[in-house]
Amino acid sequence: LAKTTQPISMDSYEGQEVNITCSHNNIATNDYITWYQQFPSQGPRFIIQGYKTKVTNEVASLFIPADRKSSTLSLPRVSLSDTAVYYCLVGEVGGYSTLTFGKGTMLLVSP
Amino acid sequence: GAVVSQHPSRVICKSGTSVKIECRSLDFQATTMFWYRQFPKQSLMLMATSNEGSKATYEQGVEKDKFLINHASLTLSTLTVTSAHPEDSSFYICSVLGEGYEQYFGPGTRLTVT
Repeated sequence: LAKTTQPISMDSYEGQEVNITCSHNNIATNDYITWYQQFPSQGPRFIIQGYKTKVTNEVASLFIPADRKSSTLSLPRVSLSDTAVYYCLVGEVGGYSTLTFGKGTMLLVSP
Repeated sequence: GAVVSQHPSRVICKSGTSVKIECRSLDFQATTMFWYRQFPKQSLMLMATSNEGSKATYEQGVEKDKFLINHASLTLSTLTVTSAHPEDSSFYICSVLGEGYEQYFGPGTRLTVT
């Protein structure tokens, strides 16, 4: 299983860009990187998934360097409503490790 | 992505009773669903994998006779907590495996056992 390491918490202010980095040094060739967002007392929400280089959707961007040993979730111009826990999961599509949640990163956005 | 609902959103039951939680995939035929449990200030813990038409696969340490899972159709999986005890109080969340193998989660069910 590819193990991931994320900062426990991050602080930001409204309007700033936030970058959350996830380390996954033993990522395997077939592994994908998936990020989820969770608000208190709600189920997680899928944000973005990628394999290499850069992926962008209407919510976020995911930057993956060539060695794929880390990835960075970029949230442009955060608002108070982006305060949540963000989880990085790494694993083969359909594989068990894609079901294993780490501790995640608690992002607090202040006015 | 898939839209997933859960019912009830909150339930309080007495110790020793059983409670059923429903998970529905509203717009996606879900061959595979997952059940998670989340204690306060902790991460999600996978309890079991629910496969339509077959027996669920339980994670180590999860009692299959206590947490009964039924996945009788492509849109519905149920989790029944039998003989509930206060230590079973938790936030139970189901998810559906999407076409890209990302997961789509339900809103969760808060179970309180008194």
